[in-house]
Amino acid sequence: GIQVEQSPPDLILQEGANSTLRCNFSDSVNNLQWFHQNPWGQLINLFYIPSGTKQNGRLSATTVATERYSLLYISSSQTTDSGVYFCAVEGDYKLSFGAGTTVTVRA
Amino acid sequence: DGGITQSPKYLFRKEGQNVTLSCEQNLNHDAMYWYRQDPGQGLRLIYYSQIVNDFQKGDIAEGYSVSREKKESFPLTVTSAQKNPTAFYLCASSMQLNQPQHFGDGTRLSIL
Repeated sequence: GIQVEQSPPDLILQEGANSTLRCNFSDSVNNLQWFHQNPWGQLINLFYIPSGTKQNGRLSATTVATERYSLLYISSSQTTDSGVYFCAVEGDYKLSFGAGTTVTVRA
Repeated sequence: DGGITQSPKYLFRKEGQNVTLSCEQNLNHDAMYWYRQDPGQGLRLIYYSQIVNDFQKGDIAEGYSVSREKKESFPLTVTSAQKNPTAFYLCASSMQLNQPQHFGDGTRLSIL
């Protein structure tokens, strides 16, 4: 199956800081999604981004499919941004998840 | 509101028991999925269904069974053959395969 690697595994930020999360994948994919899992376990869709760049408020994402990576940018971080961010890629009808980046934003 | 409803939120199982986790969606999605999440890890696919009366094994199907008799419902049974069932189980749906997946709030299963 497709291998998905996320980095860094953990990230501690001061409120107001910017950060970049990375997702590398091992093969061509049909679909790439970024999710945020909050402390209660809810998995929230952030982006559906098989290629290109998208922005949603303080979050943006870029996927370079030909080079098999995607980046998630968090700007002006807030404590509510804390949680685990997952990248998931779809090939052959299955979503394969990375291990996640745990983000802690301190006030 | 449209969405995916999983029940119960917490479930306890005795050794040797089968338990069934419910997943219902009112999004009119054709495809539905079950994932398992262990602490500190990403999600792994158990089963998926492209359409009513059809389902396929995912990466970790052993010890689990599903049915898809209605478009809205995709229940997951954790059988006694699953030796390590304690985990967080998430159900998802999408309009079709290869479309964005949306998730329910999950069920936490523990062994007594």
